[in-house]
Amino acid sequence: SQTIHQWPATLVQPVGSPLSLECTVEGTSNPNLYWYRQAAGRGLQLLFYSVGIGQISSEVPQNLSASRPQDRQFILSSKKLLLSDSGFYLCAWRSGQNGIYGYTFGSGTRLTVV
Amino acid sequence: LAKTTQPISMDSYEGQEVNITCSHNNIATNDYITWYQQFPSQGPRFIIQGYKTKVTNEVASLFIPADRKSSTLSLPRVSLSDTAVYYCLVGEMVGRKLIFGQGTELSVKP
Repeated sequence: SQTIHQWPATLVQPVGSPLSLECTVEGTSNPNLYWYRQAAGRGLQLLFYSVGIGQISSEVPQNLSASRPQDRQFILSSKKLLLSDSGFYLCAWRSGQNGIYGYTFGSGTRLTVV
Repeated sequence: LAKTTQPISMDSYEGQEVNITCSHNNIATNDYITWYQQFPSQGPRFIIQGYKTKVTNEVASLFIPADRKSSTLSLPRVSLSDTAVYYCLVGEMVGRKLIFGQGTELSVKP
């Protein structure tokens, strides 16, 4: 079966500290992978997407970066966190079955920068 | 990517049918319409997808008029557990990215 794993579930980090969030997908190959951020409970903002290993497209220039070192691994990073980086981070992959394509999301990481 | 417009919030009562309409005047020929549901502190969950006319599954129905400039998500006999934010998205089936709008916050009351 196809599953997506995202960790950690919650994270509290001081301003200026580094960040690394990891997402892995199982049961599929060469998936399109995505990082979204949701602030203040509404509105998902697309941060990065990747269509293959080493291929990253940035949607919003900011204090974050993404990498895809392996086919089913997607990492969101920051060298120095800002208060404004707080939010709910979601990883997703584009899945398709029986002619229907949708996005399957991970369980999310709640990041609080203090 | 086609822009979507939805009501910010809606209220309903248990057992009622709820219809949430989404406007997408600039929908392109290759675009499909997809609805997602999101509960607090969870990722959005796929509900239904369609291209034209009507689509029905075990959770909801999706009505799309001939001009495809709008769509309506219909939730039959809602319960308290249907309280969530509902997002309407428009994009190509095999497109590389989807942009989420603000969604509609549905509140179901007893």
